[in-house]
Amino acid sequence: GENVEQHPSTLSVQEGDSAVIKCTYSDSASNYFPWYKQELGKGPQLIIDIRSNVGEKKDQRIAVTLNKTAKHFSLHITETQPEDSAVYFCAARDPPGNTGKLIFGQGTTLQVKP
Amino acid sequence: EADIYQTPRYLVIGTGKKITLECSQTMGHDKMYWYQQDPGMELHLIHYSYGVNSTEKGDLSSESTVSRIRTEHFPLTLESARPSHTSQYLCASSGGQDSGPQHFGDGTRLSIL
Repeated sequence: GENVEQHPSTLSVQEGDSAVIKCTYSDSASNYFPWYKQELGKGPQLIIDIRSNVGEKKDQRIAVTLNKTAKHFSLHITETQPEDSAVYFCAARDPPGNTGKLIFGQGTTLQVKP
Repeated sequence: EADIYQTPRYLVIGTGKKITLECSQTMGHDKMYWYQQDPGMELHLIHYSYGVNSTEKGDLSSESTVSRIRTEHFPLTLESARPSHTSQYLCASSGGQDSGPQHFGDGTRLSIL
């Protein structure tokens, strides 16, 4: 089955700097890759997702890139703000996709220092 | 904003009690999921459902059970709670032909004394 590895486990940046979180997946048939942000005491919230037919997607300060050949995808946050501090999870949909099951990475704790 | 609700948000209860964690969604999603998560840690899938009367065990073995009698409702039950069941339980749902993203509730933080 699908396996997702996420790095780094913790990331500390200064406000205004960029943050990058990377994930690799094992099953080349996976075709959907969402990113979630989880704040303390809340459930994970979808922040951006990408499907395998595109290589990059942007939404304001957040972007995701996908390299299907290398089987890795990355989250980029520019101009970080203290409210970006949270745990971030990447995921890959377990093929063939009709179950809707997602395989999650281990999570990255992002701290943005003011 | 996704419409998926979990109750209770917090539960502290003694060993041996029967517990039911509630999860409801108003989006008409056919697929629903239960995850177990220690705070800030990995999410482990323990149960999922494709639709009414369908339930499957997830990747992490769990002593809990689930039922799906109505589309919008996916309760999780522990017949006899133990301290090892202490954790956060997150419910999620997804819909559409290609499932789409999963939408999560805010979880139930369960503590068994």
